[in-house]
Order: sequence, then structure tokens, then C-alpha cells
Amino acid sequence: RKEVEQDPGPFNVPEGATVAFNCTYSNSASQSFFWYRQDCRKEPKLLMSVYSSGNEDGRFTAQLNRASQYISLLIRDSKLSDSATYLCVARRGGSYIPTFGRGTSLIVHP
Amino acid sequence: GAVVSQHPSWVICKSGTSVKIECRSLDFQATTMFWYRQFPKQSLMLMATSNEGSKATYEQGVEKDKFLINHASLTLSTLTVTSAHPEDSSFYICSADLGTNSPLHFGNGTRLTVT
Repeated sequence: RKEVEQDPGPFNVPEGATVAFNCTYSNSASQSFFWYRQDCRKEPKLLMSVYSSGNEDGRFTAQLNRASQYISLLIRDSKLSDSATYLCVARRGGSYIPTFGRGTSLIVHP
Repeated sequence: GAVVSQHPSWVICKSGTSVKIECRSLDFQATTMFWYRQFPKQSLMLMATSNEGSKATYEQGVEKDKFLINHASLTLSTLTVTSAHPEDSSFYICSADLGTNSPLHFGNGTRLTVT
């Protein structure tokens, strides 16, 4: 089983829709979590960190469920420009390397 | 925010030549940098962890003699693809690590095409 798993999608949604992605992690020692966005042929860019109490940044809401070991990303009022691949990342403490999920592809259509 | 500069953005080279890719942290010092490779429509694959002042740690299946990593200062790590072959054509991305609970900051990537 991979340490961080995501549904690769693609999720195909109309503009204005609300879409949610989940990401599960297998290592309970994971301490910090992040969502990245990657556009085609570009480097990943940090979208948001995920805090234990959940956090929101505009149309984006991230949640962490430690008991079930998953994080989620909710995008409200989808825009065409939200079309991208969304990567989740889990980090353990110490010198452990961050672990990336394979990404979830989102396509927002008119 | 932390800025990581990667150079070149793209390079085309002939089979058998070597290519050096530079990754610089512009406004902070990075003891650790990671090098990734990404083939089209595939996920990021960690190649190696670069530590300032010591040897890099390579992931299983990555040839250390082919992908030479040097991290001579706290702001610069380099990846040299030696004797490149067409199958080495890929998107190479570096990232700098600011610490355990921090996100990674990525360079803008280098698209390598070996003809």
C-alpha cells in the first residue's frame, strides 16, 4: 500500500460546481500536511497547508481527520482556471522525506 | 515566501553529452534539497536527497554515477545528468526543505530533451 493515496480522477465538473478530493495516508506518525497544485508541464505550487482544526483560503477549504488518516480539499464555485492536478503531501517528523500522492486531476468545463 | 531558482528551464542535448542543472535558494539557506523527476502524465518521483556538505542519498533504482549531485553550499545544489540518453528525457524539479513542518518550495523545473 502506498504511503499517500489519491484518486487520480479525472474529476470533470462544470464551472461553479463544488468538488472535493480526499487523500489518505498510511503512516500515523505523519505530522504535517499540504495541498499543492500542478499545472501541465509546470512545477508544483503550494496551495495551502492543512491544519488540525481545518482551514480556509477563499474558495478552498482543507480538512484533516487524524482518526481516519485522511485530508481533504474542497473547492467551491469552481473556475476554469482551477483545472490542474492537485497533489497532497504528508510529512513525518525528523529527517523523513515528504511523501507525495500521485495527484488528482481536475477539469473544470464551461 | 521562499524562492527557489532552477536553471536552465529547458535544455536539448545530444545523446552521450552531460547536462548540469542548478538549483538555488535565493532568500534562505537550505541544508536539504530534493531532486525529482516527472515523466509525462506521471507523478513526481524522488530521485535523491541532497545534503549540504555530504553525499547525496539516492532512491532505489537511481544510478548515482549517472545522476551526480553536488550540494557544495547552503544555497546551491546541482544535478548533472551524465552521458544522457533519450530515455533520460524528462522534467527535473528541485525543491528546498525549510524544515520538518514546512512545505517544500520548488524550483520551476528543467525540461530535458535528449536527441
